[in-house]
Amino acid sequence: AQSVTQPDIHITVSEGASLELRCNYSYGATPYLFWYVQSPGQGLQLLLKYFSGDTLVQGIKGFEAEFKRSQSSFNLRKPSVHWSDAAEYFCAVGAPGGYQKVTFGIGTKLQVIP
Amino acid sequence: DAGVTQSPTHLIKTRGQQVTLRCSPKSGHDTVSWYQQALGQGPQFIFQYYEEEERQRGNFPDRFSGHQFPNYSSELNVNALLLGDSALYLCASSFNRDEQFFGPGTRLTVL
Repeated sequence: AQSVTQPDIHITVSEGASLELRCNYSYGATPYLFWYVQSPGQGLQLLLKYFSGDTLVQGIKGFEAEFKRSQSSFNLRKPSVHWSDAAEYFCAVGAPGGYQKVTFGIGTKLQVIP
Repeated sequence: DAGVTQSPTHLIKTRGQQVTLRCSPKSGHDTVSWYQQALGQGPQFIFQYYEEEERQRGNFPDRFSGHQFPNYSSELNVNALLLGDSALYLCASSFNRDEQFFGPGTRLTVL
């Protein structure tokens, strides 16, 4: 069965600092991987996705993620964090076909301090 | 263009009652998925509807059922509510198997 581990429940960074959120997945075949962001009172918004091809994927809001098959990881990065990035971030893995039966991680809550 | 809408926003029920949550998909979308997000957890897939049929189902008991109407809107029904059913229920719509767009959710509290 597919699963996702986000080892950091809560991360605090200073505004302007770089950010890396960790994600490890378990899936028997080539995974379909996603990062979503959820702001308070909002639904989930897709930041980026990896289906195949280039292992470094670019997303919205200046985020990127790198797929490393050997490490079963799909870490999210941003070079310079803005206060508006404070939110909860979810890594997810989907069954073949992409957006089907998506399994989410527990989430990482990002706090940004001035 | 309205995105995915859900109603009601909040709901309070007591144990044993039944509840119906509603979802209107984004314009042009024909597929609706439902997720349960308990406090401090990630969303968990309940089921997905396409062409008015349940296409996929997650690991949820039969107390959770759904329906999709000809206009693609959907309902999630939960019978015999338990305290553990308290959660944010998210609806996501898509055009078949393409990218899902999520609604803001319905917060269900079971007392």
